Amino acid sequence: DAGITQSPRHKVTETGTPVTLRCHQTENHRYMYWYRQDPGHGLRLIHYSYGVKDTDKGEVSDGYSVSRSKTEDFLLTLESATSSQTSVYFCAISERGPNSPLHFGNGTRLTVT
Amino acid sequence: AQTVTQSQPEMSVQEAETVTLSCTYDTSESDYYLFWYKQPPSRQMILVIRQEAYKQQNATENRFSVNFQKAAKSFSLKISDSQLGDAAMYFCAYRSGVHWSGTASKLTFGTGTRLQVTL
Repeated sequence: DAGITQSPRHKVTETGTPVTLRCHQTENHRYMYWYRQDPGHGLRLIHYSYGVKDTDKGEVSDGYSVSRSKTEDFLLTLESATSSQTSVYFCAISERGPNSPLHFGNGTRLTVT
Repeated sequence: AQTVTQSQPEMSVQEAETVTLSCTYDTSESDYYLFWYKQPPSRQMILVIRQEAYKQQNATENRFSVNFQKAAKSFSLKISDSQLGDAAMYFCAYRSGVHWSGTASKLTFGTGTRLQVTL
């Protein structure tokens, strides 16, 4: 299994509070991604990174920001959590090349009350 | 933008039987890659099989095989000799091979098919 660790595994937070989810990899892969999974929507891309300090938005990026200061760490921040951000968040990594599959972490279940 | 459609929200199969999960996609590109992922109740996302669009031969991995129809933009997954451990959500995904940079590096997922395996 690819070395990807997401933390925390579960989190409950209140509306309006900031939340940071962490993804750590030990594979030295260049590409890292944050997806959210919601019933009826599959997995949707929030942000991704193609190198240290190189990030870009995905299809559902509103309300989220990311940072990648080291190859191994990719942080997802909800600046002011809302109930619509209750979801399961997955981090994924990939080697270079379109035929390289994404390898996923075990996900973080976030509940915003 | 590419889209991936899985029209079967739920499927059921008896143990030892064969089941086919459907997936269609919309793209104007000729070079791309397709994937099937499995998500068991543990929530882990597991790669099942991948297919390169330039290859005419259908990919196979043990009991899993695909029926790739490029002209029809169809990419179905066949599971043979179904086992209880095959019960999971299955996601089809598309990745561009044309512009390998920026947003083209992402996978676009379908909404998933939940597979039940009965005795």
